Amino acid sequence: GNSVTQMEGPVTLSEEAFLTINCTYTATGYPSLFWYVQYPGEGLQLLLKATKADDKGSNKGFEATYRKETTSFHLEKGSVQVSDSAVYFCALTNDPGNQFYFGTGTSLTVIP
Amino acid sequence: DTEVTQTPKHLVMGMTNKKSLKCEQHMGHRAMYWYKQKAKKPPELMFVYSYEKLSINESVPSRFSPECPNSSLLNLHLHALQPEDSALYLCASSGRDRGTDTQYFGPGTRLTVL
Repeated sequence: GNSVTQMEGPVTLSEEAFLTINCTYTATGYPSLFWYVQYPGEGLQLLLKATKADDKGSNKGFEATYRKETTSFHLEKGSVQVSDSAVYFCALTNDPGNQFYFGTGTSLTVIP
Repeated sequence: DTEVTQTPKHLVMGMTNKKSLKCEQHMGHRAMYWYKQKAKKPPELMFVYSYEKLSINESVPSRFSPECPNSSLLNLHLHALQPEDSALYLCASSGRDRGTDTQYFGPGTRLTVL
């Protein structure tokens, strides 16, 4: 079956620190992988995605590389800002029935 | 434009009320979704519509009744809800975007059941 496992939070970092949020997946076939971000009181926003092995998705300084050999899609950012404080969800789809599978979410707080 | 809109933004209702949540997208997407999200949890899938037909119902209680009047609109009719149904209700749509099915979310309706 399909599933996504994310590192447990919450994560607290100082401004300008390096961020890694781990995500691993289990899927049949060749899933597409996504990171979504949810700010307080809002819906989920697509942050980045990758569709095949070794693809790198990037947006707003965030990056994640689709690693098929380790079934991972870790989110990284070189220098976080207070405005990056949010909950981050890793997700996948490979389902012709249009279903998406989400990890449990990782809460990030960045302190000045 | 990757916008999904939802109304209302907030809703407070009693356990005997009937209300509806509305969702709209104009991206030409053929799949639309309702999710329920509790605080500090991931979205929990409720329903999927594909080409205006209900394709997935995740054993949701009948007090929640979805409707897809056309390919751009999705409603969720609420009746006789319980306090534990209080949550953020998210609508989403998905379609091909640069070679892969990609899901886009609306801002959600914050529902409180008294």
